[in-house]
Amino acid sequence: DAGVIQSPRHEVTEMGQEVTLRCKPISGHNSLFWYRQTMMRGLELLIYFNNNVPIDDSGMPEDRFSAKMPNASFSTLKIQPSEPRDSAVYFCASRAGGTPNSPLHFGNGTRLTVT
Amino acid sequence: DAKTTQPTSMDCAEGRAANLPCNHSTISGNEYVYWYRQIHSQGPQYIIHGLKNNETNEMASLIITEDRKSSTLILPHATLRDTAVYYCIVRNDYKLSFGAGTTVTVRA
Repeated sequence: DAGVIQSPRHEVTEMGQEVTLRCKPISGHNSLFWYRQTMMRGLELLIYFNNNVPIDDSGMPEDRFSAKMPNASFSTLKIQPSEPRDSAVYFCASRAGGTPNSPLHFGNGTRLTVT
Repeated sequence: DAKTTQPTSMDCAEGRAANLPCNHSTISGNEYVYWYRQIHSQGPQYIIHGLKNNETNEMASLIITEDRKSSTLILPHATLRDTAVYYCIVRNDYKLSFGAGTTVTVRA
């Protein structure tokens, strides 16, 4: 089991540029989550997919952020245009179906720096 | 969702048991207690969860009081690699909310 795979591990970009973060969930998991972590706000849930369908995007900060899950093995989080305040570590997590209490498995994150 | 209270930090000695407390006095009957940890530069890692009964796995034990208003995570033989931030979360659905957690430092 390779775990949740995120790419890139680090991304440095200039303000105004488009940024795309990628996530491959654990095979067989049907729920996927995007979280953001900053020193000030800690870990925040951005969006939750179940069976590739966005269920809760109430944590997406603004329209500059969008997330897609075209199939069960891939998801993207896009920021367009990026701003310095978007600098954070972005985590993807997946969970097996069955019950809502199944544990989440996190990737090692993408550290985004917007200058 | 029920709020949890954890100490900000704690130290423990390598090889000794580490007992991490968590208060969740407003927990409701169908809410589970989850523990995750985050080692520096890594994603959060699931440790254990429980509803009412005590639970044990290869990583840790979870002791939940009879009234469910508090719990303790026990790392039986702490190692230097257990140095991390430990999060206690109470929830009954997908929306896990991570607080500040307890920063645990294991010292040689």
